[in-house]
Amino acid sequence: AQSVAQPEDQVNVAEGNPLTVKCTYSVSGNPYLFWYVQYPNRGLQFLLKYITGDNLVKGSYGFEAEFNKSQTSFHLKKPSALVSDSALYFCAVRDIRGSGNTGKLIFGQGTTLQVKP
Amino acid sequence: GAGVSQTPSNKVTEKGKYVELRCDPISGHTALYWYRQSLGQGPEFLIYFQGTGAADDSGLPNDRFFAVRPEGSVSTLKIQRTERGDSAVYLCASSPQRDGEQYFGPGTRLTVT
Repeated sequence: AQSVAQPEDQVNVAEGNPLTVKCTYSVSGNPYLFWYVQYPNRGLQFLLKYITGDNLVKGSYGFEAEFNKSQTSFHLKKPSALVSDSALYFCAVRDIRGSGNTGKLIFGQGTTLQVKP
Repeated sequence: GAGVSQTPSNKVTEKGKYVELRCDPISGHTALYWYRQSLGQGPEFLIYFQGTGAADDSGLPNDRFFAVRPEGSVSTLKIQRTERGDSAVYLCASSPQRDGEQYFGPGTRLTVT
């Protein structure tokens, strides 16, 4: 089965502190993993992806994610949170079932990040 | 450059009515996806177009849902005999190729009363 899980509905962090948004996955085969961010009344914006290579992936706006195969995790991280990072974050995995690699994504339920001044 | 646009941004319709939702992808993007996002949930895949053809429609919930992309650019998602359970935000995304990064539009919020 192909799925992702985001165990936290909400993460609260103080501005300037490091943040982590958790994601675990279940796939058959090699995972293609993504993080997207959604601001109110706006479309999802791509942050970063893991296809192959280095386990630490760097993306937009200072975000990074660590792929951990043994723990089947792909947690999103940032060393120093900003108030403007407050948004809804989605982890996703490419779905390769059925018609093969069409690029369609399976999303987690999302985690609301609240950064307080 | 222009991103993915979707119209209307909001649509309120009565149960049983027919609706059309439009997506204008980024120019030159051959891959186009429709997703549906219910309140408090992540987006769920509906249908994928490569060019003009629907290469994967496995996510369409039933035969009331249909989508077209006749010229390989603009796509229209059509819902017949709408039901209250169809209420959601419908998202469109395009990509330069089938497994490339997807660029999402702002969505159409559909409310069925």
